[in-house]
Amino acid sequence: QSALTQPASVSGSPGQSITISCTGTSSDIGGYKYVSWYQQHPGKAPKLMIYDVSERPSGVSDRFSGSKSGNTASLTISGLQAEDEADYYCSSFTSSSTWVFGGGTKLTVL
Amino acid sequence: EVQLVESGGDLVQPGRSLRLSCAASGFTFDDYAMHWVRQAPGKGLEWVSGINWNSGTIGYADSVKGRFTISRDNAKNSLYLQMNSLRVEDTALYYCAKAAKGYYYFYIDVWGKGTTVTVSS
Repeated sequence: QSALTQPASVSGSPGQSITISCTGTSSDIGGYKYVSWYQQHPGKAPKLMIYDVSERPSGVSDRFSGSKSGNTASLTISGLQAEDEADYYCSSFTSSSTWVFGGGTKLTVL
Repeated sequence: EVQLVESGGDLVQPGRSLRLSCAASGFTFDDYAMHWVRQAPGKGLEWVSGINWNSGTIGYADSVKGRFTISRDNAKNSLYLQMNSLRVEDTALYYCAKAAKGYYYFYIDVWGKGTTVTVSS
């Protein structure tokens, strides 16, 4: 059950777009559509941003989008805003009937 | 409003036991799977365990298998985590989380605020 691989940090200026990658294996990301993304502000509980690879819950801005290619999932945030600065985690269901999270990516809005 | 309120976190010595509880409200508890997820200080999220709506299927992370037991009482709208043989590396904020549907292979859509477990001598 190795953690999914995410970049430790990404940054962008307001209005720009950024993409956070999340790499796994054929036993997790590559094998299922059950990939989700969470946003966590300091001292707060995580918040669901994307589920089932590319679906967006109601209430989440359409600036957030998700995709998957092979064993790698991606979260793209367009039109960066100051409030997007947070930690982001990907997660996937696995062939062992467990869930695995990525190590997390700290997004800095410059 | 969906609410998940964790309790039971404490400071315990290595090797001891602790039982966490999660009180759920604002939704039909026995329609949904539930999870426990933890976060060590300054670290990322780690999935601990999940349980289907009827307790028929349960899963554990390798790091806790054989030591932790998840359970639920649908009549009391409550989720539990019995933690035995605690280790220093179990120190974390433990989140109770709701799955989107009745099986725990569905994503987590709601999180509690967490309860803190500290394992130290």
